[in-house]
Amino acid sequence: GENVEQHPSTLSVQEGDSAVIKCTYSDSASNYFPWYKQELGKGPQLIIDIRSNVGEKKDQRIAVTLNKTAKHFSLHITETQPEDSAVYFCAAIDNYGQNFVFGPGTRLSVLP
Amino acid sequence: KAGVTQTPRYLIKTRGQQVTLSCSPISGHRSVSWYQQTPGQGLQFLFEYFSETQRNKGNFPGRFSGRQFSNSRSEMNVSTLELGDSALYLCASSLEIDSPAFFGQGTRLTVV
Repeated sequence: GENVEQHPSTLSVQEGDSAVIKCTYSDSASNYFPWYKQELGKGPQLIIDIRSNVGEKKDQRIAVTLNKTAKHFSLHITETQPEDSAVYFCAAIDNYGQNFVFGPGTRLSVLP
Repeated sequence: KAGVTQTPRYLIKTRGQQVTLSCSPISGHRSVSWYQQTPGQGLQFLFEYFSETQRNKGNFPGRFSGRQFSNSRSEMNVSTLELGDSALYLCASSLEIDSPAFFGQGTRLTVV
C-alpha cells in the first residue's frame, strides 16, 4: 500500500518569511495529493490540492509543486502570518485501498 | 452550504462499553470516510462508505464498524471499548474517493 513521509516534523519561521514542507509517496499510481491544515481543537481543513497531470498549483500565498518522477510534492507558504501557525498534513491516495494515506504532519510556528 | 457535521463533539465512556458516533456529510456527497487521529499514530483510515456500501476498510479490529444510510449520513460504532480507543474520530465527505474531501470537527472520545 501507499506510504507517505513528511518533513520536517516541526518548523519555525519569522513572520513574513516563507515556509516549505516536503512529502514523498511510494505508489507511483497515486494521482491526487491534498494538503490539510489543522488548528487546535478543529478538524483538518483542505487548503490546496494537486492532481498528477499538473506540476504546480497556486492559490494566493499557498502553492503546491509535484514531481512525479521523484514521487515527491511540496507545500510552499509565502509571506507567512501568525494565523498560518497550525499542523499541516499531506496525503496521497492509496490506489489499492482507495483511501487517503496521510503524512505524520508538520507543526508550523510563525513567530511575530 | 453546510459543512460536515459530527455529533457529539465530546464523549467519555468506560472500558467495555460501546459508543456510536454520527456524521452528516455535505449535501450531495455520497462518500463518507472515517479516520482515527491519535498523537502516536497520526491519521489512520478506518473505513469508507459510498451509497450505503462499505467499499474499503482499514486495519482495525472488528470492534470498529460503521454504516451509511440512504441520506448519506453515517455512523460508526465501537464495541467493548479499550483505553487505547481514546482518540479524535474524524469523518470526511467527498463526491468520490479521489475528490476533495472535507472533514468535520471530529468527536473526541475518552475511554476511562
